[in-house]
Amino acid sequence: DTGVSQNPRHKITKRGQNVTFRCDPISEHNRLYWYRQTLGQGPEFLTYFQNEAQLEKSRLLSDRFSAERPKGSFSTLEIQRTEQGDSAMYLCASSPSNEKLFFGSGTQLSVL
Amino acid sequence: QKEVEQNSGPLSVPEGAIASLNCTYSDRGSQSFFWYRQYSGKSPELIMFIYSNGDKEDGRFTAQLNKASQYVSLLIRDSQPSDSATYLCAVRLRGSQGNLIFGKGTKLSVKP
Repeated sequence: DTGVSQNPRHKITKRGQNVTFRCDPISEHNRLYWYRQTLGQGPEFLTYFQNEAQLEKSRLLSDRFSAERPKGSFSTLEIQRTEQGDSAMYLCASSPSNEKLFFGSGTQLSVL
Repeated sequence: QKEVEQNSGPLSVPEGAIASLNCTYSDRGSQSFFWYRQYSGKSPELIMFIYSNGDKEDGRFTAQLNKASQYVSLLIRDSQPSDSATYLCAVRLRGSQGNLIFGKGTKLSVKP
């Protein structure tokens, strides 16, 4: 399967703990995006990489969130000191040089 | 005003009918417009994209764009129960380096 891969599929954590998610994009795609989606809402943009460079970051994104894409391949999204409001589906998408986004299956985060 | 607005529905149509889904956007300089389909518990998948005023057809799907009215729509002909899903409208804003802004989505139910 050459689609976008995300791990883990589900994560349950206690408030205050740190969590890290991984995304492996489609191999020839140089653009990678992180989105967050809650029930009844559309995906909300978090951040965007072109190759290894983080080019855009949502103003709504707390300093507790950080993302990396070393070597322009896989990406990680870390949330420090999780809060209950962080509970959501975290979606990764990749894209070739055009604008079509291909989404992974997501990581469902539950903060207790 | 939300940047991308959709009626959340649910929109219910009988099998074989035409389903009409609508979306308005606030940024007059927006350049690219996308329709994604999202089945319950799954990630969004791209159905159509349109850049220019007018209609674009792909099989049973037609996307319509009217930039003067800041309006984009999706028509689904010969609707099938398998079309039952949430349809997300997404817009690339002027000045964005590639991220998409999504609406909340319209839930479509096609009754056999």
